[in-house]
Amino acid sequence: AQSVTQLGSHVSVSEGALVLLRCNYSSSVPPYLFWYVQYPNQGLQLLLKYTSAATLVKGINGFEAEFKKSETSFHLTKPSAHMSDAAEYFCAVSSNFGNEKLTFGTGTRLTIIP
Amino acid sequence: GAVVSQHPSWVICKSGTSVKIECRSLDFQATTMFWYRQFPKQSLMLMATSNEGSKATYEQGVEKDKFLINHASLTLSTLTVTSAHPEDSSFYICSAPLAGNTGELFFGEGSRLTVL
Repeated sequence: AQSVTQLGSHVSVSEGALVLLRCNYSSSVPPYLFWYVQYPNQGLQLLLKYTSAATLVKGINGFEAEFKKSETSFHLTKPSAHMSDAAEYFCAVSSNFGNEKLTFGTGTRLTIIP
Repeated sequence: GAVVSQHPSWVICKSGTSVKIECRSLDFQATTMFWYRQFPKQSLMLMATSNEGSKATYEQGVEKDKFLINHASLTLSTLTVTSAHPEDSSFYICSAPLAGNTGELFFGEGSRLTVL
């Protein structure tokens, strides 16, 4: 069984500040981990994915995430927040390389303060 | 990148009627598609896996007679909410994996259903 826990349903940061969205996972097999972003009334867009290659993964829009097996974490970061980063972010886990049957976290709504 | 499109984006219907939502892979073939349901301010919950040419696989707790899924071609899956009721109001999202891709699902834009 797999699960994902996203700490903090709402995160607010000032424009230009560091963005840190937390994700911890539970998996009985080596996991594949993903971060998706969702803008209002839209589907999900892949930000980045971890597939057992490099533990530090770089994604689109300046985001990156680091896989830490010892901490079972896959936190998402961005050095400098932009107003356009305001959205809902979902962490997801899969045991399948084709990422079928993703298990999503509950999401974190990111608000950017001007 | 690969594109998945849903139609309609918004639909309002009366209680007791049926609503069909289409999910199309526009530039690739998808033997499998996934249907999710998302309640306000909540995460996506997988409802079922749509398989081209065979029956859909439903997740536990999802009524297959309520949510009819048909995957008639390699580019189209449909979700029909039968005899809709207000509690069926939700945001429905489909996704499809690109065969041979290194693990990425492509999501549709979502369809918001409101049942009056």
